[in-house]
Amino acid sequence: DSGVTQTPKHLITATGQRVTLRCSPRSGDLSVYWYQQSLDQGLQFLIQYYNGEERAKGNILERFSAQQFPDLHSELNLSSLELGDSALYFCASSPAPDYGYTFGSGTRLTVV
Amino acid sequence: GENVEQHPSTLSVQEGDSAVIKCTYSDSASNYFPWYKQELGKRPQLIIDIRSNVGEKKDQRIAVTLNKTAKHFSLHITETQPEDSAVYFCAARMDSSYKLIFGSGTRLLVRP
Repeated sequence: DSGVTQTPKHLITATGQRVTLRCSPRSGDLSVYWYQQSLDQGLQFLIQYYNGEERAKGNILERFSAQQFPDLHSELNLSSLELGDSALYFCASSPAPDYGYTFGSGTRLTVV
Repeated sequence: GENVEQHPSTLSVQEGDSAVIKCTYSDSASNYFPWYKQELGKRPQLIIDIRSNVGEKKDQRIAVTLNKTAKHFSLHITETQPEDSAVYFCAARMDSSYKLIFGSGTRLLVRP
């Protein structure tokens, strides 16, 4: 167990639907990062929060949004889902900017 | 822009041989370079990292070297074992940004 908790582990939903992925960072970590990993692909950076504020944004679609709450957990909202959104979504956390990430186990999203 | 190129995409070695994976980064302001190992269906795990003020770092069979002038860094695995088989990702982070930019990954296969 890495200390970063992601729920749910698996999610199957239909095209056009909306889902919410949840991430609880390791205790004491203020930064949360979201990455998308499609089948046999690399890790694409989506968005980063630090202590409740958005700090960096990657190639995140307008249909996707995220936030970090006062208790530091984060949610990634994916709407108007398309088949191509099927992927592993990882959350990672770090205590400070110059530390390495610890990844959660990911949420596998399947859009049918 | 920020970019990390990783080579080779696949690498097959005999057990006991060495494996070398190379990465090149585009932004000279990058100052932190971690390496992650991802086994099939699992989360990426940090195996070693290096900062820009260090040229080389070693941890048992794993070593990383950094050439800031050439903007490239490499992962060296000696005495490879079948359990080293996985996908390895390099990454780079700039001083002004908290996010890690990942390479496209190297699938390492260690043949018994």
